[in-house]
Amino acid sequence: QKEVEQNSGPLSVPEGAIASLNCTYSDRGSQSFFWYRQYSGKSPELIMFIYSNGDKEDGRFTAQLNKASQYVSLLIRDSQPSDSATYLCAVESGGSYIPTFGRGTSLIVHP
Amino acid sequence: DGGITQSPKYLFRKEGQNVTLSCEQNLNHDAMYWYRQDPGQGLRLIYYSQIVNDFQKGDIAEGYSVSREKKESFPLTVTSAQKNPTAFYLCASSIDRKQPQHFGDGTRLSIL
Repeated sequence: QKEVEQNSGPLSVPEGAIASLNCTYSDRGSQSFFWYRQYSGKSPELIMFIYSNGDKEDGRFTAQLNKASQYVSLLIRDSQPSDSATYLCAVESGGSYIPTFGRGTSLIVHP
Repeated sequence: DGGITQSPKYLFRKEGQNVTLSCEQNLNHDAMYWYRQDPGQGLRLIYYSQIVNDFQKGDIAEGYSVSREKKESFPLTVTSAQKNPTAFYLCASSIDRKQPQHFGDGTRLSIL
């Protein structure tokens, strides 16, 4: 059973701070990693994807992948109240290419 | 505009009734997926399809059925065998199975 684990939170950070969201996974064969943002009552929206070890930056978002330690992180710099949402980590295995989703981490950015 | 359209937005099911959720995409994506999300839970895969006329069961396929007769369409039927159908149903598509998925706006299904 492939597992993707996230701390459910809530993670509370002040406006302007860096929010760090973490995700661990069980399948060492995993090749593709995705972060989605889901506002309450809405559908998930793709934020970042990463395939290789290291960092990938897109605006205020940075995805970090460490395959040896089997974790992937999402950093949000200069956090804004509009970033308050649940962040879902999804991990695809090398075999099926179908992603397994974590339960998500709730982020609250307070003014 | 290209995208994924799910309908209806809200749906109510009576006991013993089958209901069908619509999912249409005009992105020319080969792969399509159905997920179920319960409150406080992650997404659980119901069915997926990599190409037309082919689909595979996901982790929670019991009580559900699908068809993929056209590339653009992947309807989900929630049968009366699904005893706990109340959930948020999400349809997604991707260029192929290795690419990121994009989601429709979802359908909320409740029991009357």
